[in-house]
Amino acid sequence: AQSVTQPDIHITVSEGASLELRCNYSYGATPYLFWYVQSPGQGLQLLLKYFSGDTLVQGIKGFEAEFKRSQSSFNLRKPSVHWSDAAEYFCAVAFPGTYKYIFGTGTRLKVLA
Amino acid sequence: SQTIHQWPATLVQPVGSPLSLECTVEGTSNPNLYWYRQAAGRGLQLLFYSVGIGQISSEVPQNLSASRPQDRQFILSSKKLLLSDSGFYLCAWRLGLAGGRETQYFGPGTRLLVL
Repeated sequence: AQSVTQPDIHITVSEGASLELRCNYSYGATPYLFWYVQSPGQGLQLLLKYFSGDTLVQGIKGFEAEFKRSQSSFNLRKPSVHWSDAAEYFCAVAFPGTYKYIFGTGTRLKVLA
Repeated sequence: SQTIHQWPATLVQPVGSPLSLECTVEGTSNPNLYWYRQAAGRGLQLLFYSVGIGQISSEVPQNLSASRPQDRQFILSSKKLLLSDSGFYLCAWRLGLAGGRETQYFGPGTRLLVL
């Protein structure tokens, strides 16, 4: 079955430290890949997306993600975290020819001052 | 530019009461529309999606229903709420194109508490 796994439920980093959030998917072909961020009580905001081409994609707020086909992964990175990055992050996949999107269970990021 | 609205923002309802949540999209035509429920620690669960007026696909059998009376309006309803219906409900849209390349955009959400 198609699935998205975010193995880290919670991550805590110090402000200024680097960040990597993991995302793995299970699907026979390369899906379309997304990262969203959600602040408490808010909707989801798109950070970045991958459809094809260059496997390193740049997003908003200084985030980037790298697609690795061999590992079925789409990890999100930021070189220096800011306190305002504290939020919940969701990885999602969409499958060509369908209307459905599948979301991971999210990773909650805490940033220490 | 496109905008998506949801109301109400917060709702407290007794068990057994009816429910109506509304979602509207501005600035686009014939969008694909989605209803998700988000429970704590469980990510987003797709409830319904719609590719056109009157066309609703249900993903999870439950006591909720959805309707799309107008092109850019999507309504989530229930005749009798259960405690388990509590959660954060998100509406989303994307351009009505085939192939899945288009991005979903989310509304601000409705927090529902059933007591």
